[in-house]
Amino acid sequence: EPEVTQTPSHQVTQMGQEVILRCVPISNHLYFYWYRQILGQKVEFLVSFYNNEISEKSEIFDDQFSVERPDGSNFTLKIRSTKLEDSAMYFCASIAGGASYNEQFFGPGTRLTVL
Amino acid sequence: AQSVTQLGSHVSVSEGALVLLRCNYSSSVPPYLFWYVQYPNQGLQLLLKYTTGATLVKGINGFEAEFKKSETSFHLTKPSAHMSDAAEYFCAVTPWMDSSYKLIFGSGTRLLVRP
Repeated sequence: EPEVTQTPSHQVTQMGQEVILRCVPISNHLYFYWYRQILGQKVEFLVSFYNNEISEKSEIFDDQFSVERPDGSNFTLKIRSTKLEDSAMYFCASIAGGASYNEQFFGPGTRLTVL
Repeated sequence: AQSVTQLGSHVSVSEGALVLLRCNYSSSVPPYLFWYVQYPNQGLQLLLKYTTGATLVKGINGFEAEFKKSETSFHLTKPSAHMSDAAEYFCAVTPWMDSSYKLIFGSGTRLLVRP
């Protein structure tokens, strides 16, 4: 069964460092997402990506964040200068799109710890 | 803005007892509705969804949910709890006509199952 994969599973970084979180969505999917979940809190939408551009972003997704789909298979989230409050689980998701709505498939997540 | 309310951050039931997890959404136009489950240290798995049609929706693992427009609710039930049902459950919506199909999550309910 196709699945969304994410690497690494756990990333530890120092405050102020850049991190890149990687995701490989399901191959025929068209819409891609990043969500985050701070420990003990709800899952929050960060950004959606369609047709090689951001289709929507939340207030959380400020200038420190960027997304890219560099090669048609990977989907990355970059945080330029990490802050302590960026520590969270980051989930990638994708949907097939099309005429009818389809479920979002989530990856297992990357736990980011900023020290 | 669309919001999702889950009553009860923790619900505890005995094995074999009825499970009822509550979810209400705030929207005059019914959104697409979802329940996701998150087991410890894992990603999000879709339990069930409502988009159109029959208002009683059956999902995996014996769960079902009923969409009630008049009550703006989408409560999740299971007739008989099993120990393996212990997890965090998230209700989520996609606003009607949201072109990005993003998910807005509730704060989650942790289900505890007592032997």
